[in-house]
Amino acid sequence: QQQVKQSPQSLIVQKGGISIINCAYENTAFDYFPWYQQFPGKGPALLIAIRPDVSEKKEGRFTISFNKSAKQFSLHIMDSQPGDSATYFCAALKGDSNYQLIWGAGTKLIIKP
Amino acid sequence: EAQVTQNPRYLITVTGKKLTVTCSQNMNHEYMSWYRQDPGLGLRQIYYSMNVEVTDKGDVPEGYKVSRKEKRNFPLILESPSPNQTSLYFCASSSRLDRAGDQPQHFGDGTRLSIL
Repeated sequence: QQQVKQSPQSLIVQKGGISIINCAYENTAFDYFPWYQQFPGKGPALLIAIRPDVSEKKEGRFTISFNKSAKQFSLHIMDSQPGDSATYFCAALKGDSNYQLIWGAGTKLIIKP
Repeated sequence: EAQVTQNPRYLITVTGKKLTVTCSQNMNHEYMSWYRQDPGLGLRQIYYSMNVEVTDKGDVPEGYKVSRKEKRNFPLILESPSPNQTSLYFCASSSRLDRAGDQPQHFGDGTRLSIL
């Protein structure tokens, strides 16, 4: 019940296309859902985050869509660029803790020029 | 420059030889955490600390120790490393406020450990 399931494991998208990464959770007590971006040789960095009181949040080319009833959320990258090639992690804040994030397994995204 | 610094970045060692991975942050953050990253498993939390002298177990604490004697430092200790601890390790910090979990976590660049 504490897991966050992320798919796909890897994704190849043509430059200019839309990249979509999906996450699903079971624990309805989760109430904060961040996405982190990780480049090779670096630690993850916060990209964008959402709370379940909104269904969508957009920052530039990055959008989180949130479906509370389905317990799913997804990251959309519009006009994908080679510089977006990275590993993306979704996460959820553990409902009974103020400090522990539960992480998805990660998606390795490759944008082909 | 605000940063989390881990040392060493790479280490190859043998089973049973005690090692310490250091982590230091210069942002005066209360909350610090250690993760291990393994392919297909994402990030799993080892230990975390809410402030000086306050530490708690994460999801995979077995075989690890930590200490938080100073606010800026949070070393990870492997008393008797074993091959199943071969992994990529990350230290992270964030300001606590009311909920550290929803503050951006600032990560170091990682330490790749190989235990032979």
